[in-house]
Amino acid sequence: DVVMTQFPLSLPVTLGQPASISCRSSQSLVYTDGNTYLNWFQQRPGQSPRRLIYKVSNRDSGVPDRFSGSGSGTDFTLKISRVEAEDVGIYYCMQGTHWPPFSFGPGTRVDIK
Amino acid sequence: EVQLVESGGGLVQPGGSLRLSCAASGFTFSNYWMSWVRQAPGRGLEWVANIKHDGSDKYYVDSVKGRFTISRDNAKNLLFLQMNSLTAEDTAVYYCARDPRVVDYWGQGTLVTVTS
Repeated sequence: DVVMTQFPLSLPVTLGQPASISCRSSQSLVYTDGNTYLNWFQQRPGQSPRRLIYKVSNRDSGVPDRFSGSGSGTDFTLKISRVEAEDVGIYYCMQGTHWPPFSFGPGTRVDIK
Repeated sequence: EVQLVESGGGLVQPGGSLRLSCAASGFTFSNYWMSWVRQAPGRGLEWVANIKHDGSDKYYVDSVKGRFTISRDNAKNLLFLQMNSLTAEDTAVYYCARDPRVVDYWGQGTLVTVTS
């Protein structure tokens, strides 16, 4: 099974400052079709998860452009260029390449300093 | 607009059963793999099960194999999760989600609490 790790697990940030979350998989997430099924989700307090980024770097419709995803193989990063108050929540990476099972990272809690 | 609306959660005793439903709308349900993902209180996300668009293939996380059954009714745009032999470790919010490889849409979740 693919194990997903994230760091840091807690990220206090100053409003307007950048933030970066790393995600690592225990094996390469490149699928035989050439795609890399690494997704990022945001879960605000009391809400369902919401997808932000799919296949490493594709931002979903309606997601602010301050969010960006990058990486390849086993190492991936979610960046927020300038953190806003509405970005508080928990961020999860998830792999959809090697399944079953699909696997999520443990989550990174982002809050405001 | 894609909508996924779960129902059927509630309080159940250990060893009991519950059937969750997910009503899908706003897309051609029969074209998509669907899945259930759960989140225990204060914990992270855990994939539970998924089912092929025509219901012919089903997969489960090891901890629920033999106890949970995923199914679907494409004529009624419904996804189900039959949960038997429930334990306290199954206590969680259960989310219905579309396309497990990329999980582009989630429902609002339904809470299952297993307690005596």
